[in-house]
Amino acid sequence: AQSVSQHNHHVILSEAASLELGCNYSYGGTVNLFWYVQSPGQHLQLLLKYFSGDPLVKGIKGFEAEFIKSKFSFNLRKPSVQWSDTAEYFCAVNMIGKLIFGQGTTLQVKP
Amino acid sequence: GAGVSQSPSNKVTEKGKDVELRCDPISGHTALYWYRQSLGQGLEFLIYFQGNSAPDKSGLPSDRFSAERTGGSVSTLTIQRTQQEDSAVYLCASSLAGGGNTEAFFGQGTRLTVV
Repeated sequence: AQSVSQHNHHVILSEAASLELGCNYSYGGTVNLFWYVQSPGQHLQLLLKYFSGDPLVKGIKGFEAEFIKSKFSFNLRKPSVQWSDTAEYFCAVNMIGKLIFGQGTTLQVKP
Repeated sequence: GAGVSQSPSNKVTEKGKDVELRCDPISGHTALYWYRQSLGQGLEFLIYFQGNSAPDKSGLPSDRFSAERTGGSVSTLTIQRTQQEDSAVYLCASSLAGGGNTEAFFGQGTRLTVV
């Protein structure tokens, strides 16, 4: 079955620490990949997306992600987190039109 | 409106009652999705509409759940004989096309509480 897995459910970091959130999917066909963020009380907002081309994509707020096709992965990274990055992060994969989300990772950044 | 609009924003209902949740997608968006978000469970896919094609209902958890999309625009998610485990935030999203290479925009959600 098509699925998306996020390995980290709850991450706690200090400001200026580096971040990497894992995302893997199970589907052998063509995919489009997304990371969304949900800040407390806010709508889900798109951080970045990959459709084709350079597998390293940059998004808003200094986030980037790398698509590794051989590993079915799309990990999210940020070199130096800020307190304002505290939020829930969702990886999403569009497989033949159906947009499937991972379970989400709660990131808590301590000032 | 400029964004995806959902109503009501909050709904409290008694166990066993039926509820209807409404979603107004962004004008011109042909794809529409419904998700359920429960604490610690992420976004659970429920149903997907793309243009005039038959909807993908593979995520609906039981036959108490149904959805329709009239005129390719507004969508209604109906839950019959609500149960306490139906309590969650129900999110709607729309995108310009359903092929996958466009961003999905989300509404603010409807928080459903079954008492």
